[in-house]
Amino acid sequence: AQTVTQSQPEMSVQEAETVTLSCTYDTSESDYYLFWYKQPPSRQMILVIRQEAYKQQNATENRFSVNFQKAAKSFSLKISDSQLGDAAMYFCAYRFTYGGATNKLIFGTGTLLAVQP
Amino acid sequence: DTEVTQTPKHLVMGMTNKKSLKCEQHMGHRAMYWYKQKAKKPPELMFVYSYEKLSINESVPSRFSPECPNSSLLNLHLHALQPEDSALYLCASSQDLGGVLGHEQYFGPGTRLTVT
Repeated sequence: AQTVTQSQPEMSVQEAETVTLSCTYDTSESDYYLFWYKQPPSRQMILVIRQEAYKQQNATENRFSVNFQKAAKSFSLKISDSQLGDAAMYFCAYRFTYGGATNKLIFGTGTLLAVQP
Repeated sequence: DTEVTQTPKHLVMGMTNKKSLKCEQHMGHRAMYWYKQKAKKPPELMFVYSYEKLSINESVPSRFSPECPNSSLLNLHLHALQPEDSALYLCASSQDLGGVLGHEQYFGPGTRLTVT
């Protein structure tokens, strides 16, 4: 069964510094998608970045980038130049192929990121 | 416009009440989802609709009844809930269930439900 593990329940970073959030997953599939979602205290889940497993190049979205290591089944998120608005719960998610219907997301347990001014 | 709206934002209901949660999207998405989220936990999938038909029911108790009247609207009817059903209920949509673009889910702001 597919599982997603986030081993860091809480992280803290100074404003303008860089922080890396860890995520590992387990799957027997060869083609899949991985995502990082952000959920601020306002509670809306926001898609931060996605990675297609067939792409070797790591995805980047402005200050957010991933380190995707397919063989190691690792998918970490790097936030550069951290801002106060980055404070949120971050969930790593795996898209699971569910029988004939796809698009069931398996979420990790989340990492609560605090940004210190 | 990548917006999913949900109403109401907050709902307090007694265990004998009947209420409904509403979700709407105007992105032309054909797949819609209901999730339940407890505090500091990840969302748990409840239901998936694809082209207005129920595609996945994650063994949700019958006191939760989903409905998809049209491709833009998703309702969750609530009846005889228990206090442990208190949670944040999130709606999401995606272009489709599969394909290159189908995997990105866009979430609404959620309805905070309290059952007394």
